[in-house]
Amino acid sequence: GAGVSQSPSNKVTEKGKDVELRCDPISGHTALYWYRQSLGQGLEFLIYFQGNSAPDKSGLPSDRFSAERTGGSVSTLTIQRTQQEDSAVYLCASSDRQGDYGYTFGSGTRLTVV
Amino acid sequence: QKEVEQNSGPLSVPEGAIASLNCTYSDRGSQSFFWYRQYSGKSPELIMSIYSNGDKEDGRFTAQLNKASQYVSLLIRDSQPSDSATYLCAVNRPAGTALIFGKGTTLSVSS
Repeated sequence: GAGVSQSPSNKVTEKGKDVELRCDPISGHTALYWYRQSLGQGLEFLIYFQGNSAPDKSGLPSDRFSAERTGGSVSTLTIQRTQQEDSAVYLCASSDRQGDYGYTFGSGTRLTVV
Repeated sequence: QKEVEQNSGPLSVPEGAIASLNCTYSDRGSQSFFWYRQYSGKSPELIMSIYSNGDKEDGRFTAQLNKASQYVSLLIRDSQPSDSATYLCAVNRPAGTALIFGKGTTLSVSS
């Protein structure tokens, strides 16, 4: 696509429920990144994909968080048993190589856990 | 020490002035440096990249890099109210593959 597409744009969920966030990167971009941004905070790295593999998942905060990427394209970030501290904007970005040339971000998914 | 540090601001400048935004980083092996602009409620957008010591100019923006001092800066000349935003400094992790972001400096340009 023309840009990085994320869905849903907003998600309100009850504590303890599972959620799935989707990212569709720019066509042809092999690298895909997930970050999250809490209110007034900087961007916190979560996971990096190169193709379908995740060589760096060091930022995932707990085993409740997982992500996959299929077909070298769409990625899904899953949060199980959501907690209130998971509330944040989840941003996806893609680049056509390792990121040394900067990323293009999607518009994000605002997750609110109530 | 935090990996990428920025003064949170707010930095307030009058319209037409030069805004100077600063960033320091901790990993001497970092090779790629970026400035992103983030308007309130929006996602970050890339405005400048720099890879070599010295200055890089693009329109009203100049990025400056000093690897010896582990220091990156962004100058915005002829600041406009539309430049009011949070500016994020990002640095690559040499041992990893993701950019590490500072918390950002909020710039306010008054008309």
